[in-house]
Amino acid sequence: EPEVTQTPSHQVTQMGQEVILRCVPISNHLYFYWYRQILGQKVEFLVSFYNNEISEKSEIFDDQFSVERPDGSNFTLKIRSTKLEDSAMYFCASSPGRADYEQYFGPGTRLTVT
Amino acid sequence: EDKVVQSPLSLVVHEGDTVTLNCSYEVTNFRSLLWYKQEKKAPTFLFMLTSSGIEKKSGRLSSILDKKELFSILNITATQTGDSAIYLCAGRNTNAGKSTFGDGTTLTVKP
Repeated sequence: EPEVTQTPSHQVTQMGQEVILRCVPISNHLYFYWYRQILGQKVEFLVSFYNNEISEKSEIFDDQFSVERPDGSNFTLKIRSTKLEDSAMYFCASSPGRADYEQYFGPGTRLTVT
Repeated sequence: EDKVVQSPLSLVVHEGDTVTLNCSYEVTNFRSLLWYKQEKKAPTFLFMLTSSGIEKKSGRLSSILDKKELFSILNITATQTGDSAIYLCAGRNTNAGKSTFGDGTTLTVKP
């Protein structure tokens, strides 16, 4: 069964450093998403991406965040200058269509900012 | 601002019990309600509901949506220890299909 994959599974970085989290969505899916979950808190929407542009973003997704689909298969989330409060589990998800379709989640990348 | 509220936040039952988990939502341009099970890492999909009053079933789990009252329930019958997990409810909008999640219900099933 096709699945969303994410790398790395765990990333440790120092405050102020840039990180890139990588995702490979399911191949025929058209909509891509990033969510995050701070330990013990709810899953929060960050951004949705369709047709090579951002469709919707949350207040969390400020100028330090960016997304890209550089080569037609990978979908990346870049955090330019990490802060301690960026420590969280970051989930990528993809969907074949909009809201009438299930979102498939990847296994997540645990980001630890020290 | 979109909001999804789940209750109870936690629940402890014994094997064989039946549980009902609740989810109410306020989602602009609402299109669908999804239930997920989260054990250690990523949420795994259980149900997607788009129409009121139509029950979806999968084994011992079932779910229904009420779009007039803006809520959904997830029922689990004959619970097993393997059902212990966090159950997440999410409302999706029609725009880009963004999901707004609730806090989750932590279910613990004791032998």
